[in-house]
Amino acid sequence: QVQLQESGPGLVKPSQTLSLTCTVSGDSISSRDYYWSWIRQPPGKGLELIGYISYTGNTYYIPSLKSRVTISVETSKIQFSLNLSSVTAADTAVYFCGRVRSGYEWGVVDYWGQGILVTVSS
Amino acid sequence: EIVLTQSPDTLSLSPGERATLSCRASQSFSNTFLAWYQQKPGQAPRLLIFGASSRATGVPDRFSGSGSGTDFTLTISRLEPEDFAVYYCQQYGSSPWTFGQGTKVEIK
Repeated sequence: QVQLQESGPGLVKPSQTLSLTCTVSGDSISSRDYYWSWIRQPPGKGLELIGYISYTGNTYYIPSLKSRVTISVETSKIQFSLNLSSVTAADTAVYFCGRVRSGYEWGVVDYWGQGILVTVSS
Repeated sequence: EIVLTQSPDTLSLSPGERATLSCRASQSFSNTFLAWYQQKPGQAPRLLIFGASSRATGVPDRFSGSGSGTDFTLTISRLEPEDFAVYYCQQYGSSPWTFGQGTKVEIK
């Protein structure tokens, strides 16, 4: 059974860097069959893809966040992380990590973490 | 960026009724690369449908998806109490992948 679990601080000050980790169990981040993503959901709003990373370490970030985002795989190979710099209140959201299918179904998020609320406030 | 518009915003129905949810794209995208997710309060989204009409593992057959081009539909044939939730569509045929704003299915 694949499980993903987000962890990190729930409160970040404006202008600082938001750092989250996703721990994966029941699967390997090194698998060629999947990508690993971060998606966020501002309070009361819909879902927004932040970006994803492949097993080779290739990354994609959405244009609106590209200058502030880094997604990387930890050396443990069971965790991947999200760093979002220069945060503002607009970055307050529940952050989800997710497993993305590759191949013909590339883009389908078939497993999600429970999500972690990150509030940006002084 | 493709914008997905879901309608209605809220659907008020009784258990046993049929629910029809719409997802319209601002432009067409590759094939039928559209997915539907269900989200209950405080929970992560759950994959229901991918490829516009393929049910994910374990999803009851009362859930069905259809459509192509720019117009897609999620149908719940007979609502069960556990189906009252928010439903999101997502297109993955054009980068960046985008989600609709959601349709809330609530108990009437």
